[in-house]
Amino acid sequence: SAVISQKPSRDICQRGTSLTIQCQVDSQVTMMFWYRQQPGQSLTLIATANQGSEATYESGFVIDKFPISRPNLTFSTLTVSNMSPEDSSIYLCSVSSGSYEQYFGPGTRLTVT
Amino acid sequence: EDQVTQSPEALRLQEGESSSLNCSYTVSGLRGLFWYRQDPGKGPEFLFTLYSAGEEKEKERLKATLTKKESFLHITAPKPEDSATYLCAVQAESGGSNYKLTFGKGTLLTVNP
Repeated sequence: SAVISQKPSRDICQRGTSLTIQCQVDSQVTMMFWYRQQPGQSLTLIATANQGSEATYESGFVIDKFPISRPNLTFSTLTVSNMSPEDSSIYLCSVSSGSYEQYFGPGTRLTVT
Repeated sequence: EDQVTQSPEALRLQEGESSSLNCSYTVSGLRGLFWYRQDPGKGPEFLFTLYSAGEEKEKERLKATLTKKESFLHITAPKPEDSATYLCAVQAESGGSNYKLTFGKGTLLTVNP
């Protein structure tokens, strides 16, 4: 399976600022996704990152808060904008290519103070 | 709305003591049910995909089974290195995001030596 890396692995940010998380895959993949894992909660899909077009967001998530880019088949970014303590979470990217299975990156642990 | 419920929330076993984890689901047409393992501080690691009732998959000490309403992850003679959180997810055949995974909250398995 593909090797997936995320940067940063963790960060502590102040309220009102923004953080961009990068997801890099070592091979071209068809689909890339962004999930959020909050303490005590289920992994939740934020959006599907589409190459060459706008991301597809799930109910409860909006582009202004979580802008996503996908410039090519191996890279995507998720920005968490105007952060509040409620955005403290683990953010994970996943990829899928040619099958229904999704493979996850190591995650980015974000703390907002 | 697709739903996944995992039980128990936590399970503590002695090394060699076999047991099962449960994943109950409701979905509008199941495309696949997925099991993942997640170690602390890491992203979920893919284990199995099950597509239809009656299907079984095995990997080392793990065996996953599927019915029309639930899936079981059987752990035979577990070892301490099997300690992790086990996540179950479903993917529906249709919906706004065709590849969306809906996760349960997971079962935290601890195997004592």
